[in-house]
Amino acid sequence: EPEVTQTPSHQVTQMGQEVILRCVPISNHLYFYWYRQILGQKVEFLVSFYNNEISEKSEIFDDQFSVERPDGSNFTLKIRSTKLEDSAMYFCASSERRQPWGGYTFGSGTRLTVV
Amino acid sequence: TQLLKQSPQFLSIQEGENLTVYCNSSSVFSSLQWYRQEPGEGPVLLVTVVTGGEVKKLKRLTFQFGDARKDSSLHITAAQPGDTGLYLCAGGSTDSWGKLQFGAGTQVVVTP
Repeated sequence: EPEVTQTPSHQVTQMGQEVILRCVPISNHLYFYWYRQILGQKVEFLVSFYNNEISEKSEIFDDQFSVERPDGSNFTLKIRSTKLEDSAMYFCASSERRQPWGGYTFGSGTRLTVV
Repeated sequence: TQLLKQSPQFLSIQEGENLTVYCNSSSVFSSLQWYRQEPGEGPVLLVTVVTGGEVKKLKRLTFQFGDARKDSSLHITAAQPGDTGLYLCAGGSTDSWGKLQFGAGTQVVVTP
């Protein structure tokens, strides 16, 4: 069964450093998303991406965050200057259909720890 | 912000028993999705319901979308230890198509 692949599975970084989280969505999917989940809290929407541009972003997704689809397969989330409160599980997801009519396929996540 | 409240927060039952998990909101959603999440993993889609009053069955799992599209329920018949997990509901709206609003989840534990 097709899956969304995320790397790395776990990343530890120092506060103020830049991190890039990588995702390979399902190949025939056109819509891409990043969500995050702080330990013990709800899954929160960060950003949606379609046709090489951001469709929607949340209040969390400030100027420190950016997304990119550098080639035909990868979808990345960059945090320019990490803060302690950025520590969370980051999930990439993709969907074949425009939401909310279908469902997402989520990756297994990247656990980001900022120290 | 549309909020989804799930109840109960935690449910522990014996194998073979039935259980129901609820997802409620004061807002109308265009669709309601149910996911199951294991520790350290991403949510896995179980079902999407889009029509008020819709009922969908997935083996021993029955999902219902309320007539007013503000609430949903997940019923598991004859629960098995493999049903243990965190069940999440998530609502979507055509006003904000790229964004799902997640509930906090119901942790279900089924003991043999």
